[in-house]
Amino acid sequence: QVQLVESGGGVVQPGRSLRLSCAASGFTFARYAMHWVRQAPGKGLEWLAVIWHDGNYKYYAESVQGRFTISRDSSRNTLYLQMNGLRVDDTAVYYCTRDSGLPELGILAYWGQGTLVTVSS
Amino acid sequence: EIVLTQSPGTLSLSPGERATLSCRASQSVSSSYLAWYQQKPGQAPRLLIYGASSRATGIPDRFSGSGSGTDFSLTIIRLEPEDFAVYYCQHYGRSPQTFGPGTKVEIK
Repeated sequence: QVQLVESGGGVVQPGRSLRLSCAASGFTFARYAMHWVRQAPGKGLEWLAVIWHDGNYKYYAESVQGRFTISRDSSRNTLYLQMNGLRVDDTAVYYCTRDSGLPELGILAYWGQGTLVTVSS
Repeated sequence: EIVLTQSPGTLSLSPGERATLSCRASQSVSSSYLAWYQQKPGQAPRLLIYGASSRATGIPDRFSGSGSGTDFSLTIIRLEPEDFAVYYCQHYGRSPQTFGPGTKVEIK
């Protein structure tokens, strides 16, 4: 069965960096686009970034453009989110999600359990 | 960027009742690229509906989606105890994808 397990969250000071990882299993990782979505405490969902199945295309939400970088390593079946210049309002649970595989990109068919990032001095 | 608005913010109903949730887009959603997700407290969201009306794998048929253009809805015909949760709509197919603010379905 599809499993997505995020790691790398924690408490970090404003302005610092953090890298999140998402270990994928139960499917052929290299065949699917992957996304990151976050949820601030008590708030709604915010889509952050997508990376194509082959890593050739990446798109970002305006709120993280230029600060966050999505990447993948298909040899390790792992998705990453490098977060630089963290701000207090980046505090959230970060979810790794797998695309459905249908031609229309963006149906978030599988979700990890999330990892909490707290940005605080 | 397409802005999604959901109404009502909170829906108070009893088990067995029918729930109708609305999602309105600031501009037309092409090819009905609209999905619905369910989220229970402390859990990750779960995909319910995509393409405005197609149920995801394993989703009971008491859940149905409809709509096109800018107006979409999610209907739960008979609420089960496990259906009390927050529901989000999402447009996809082009970046940035966006989510609506959510509708909470609570027990009356």
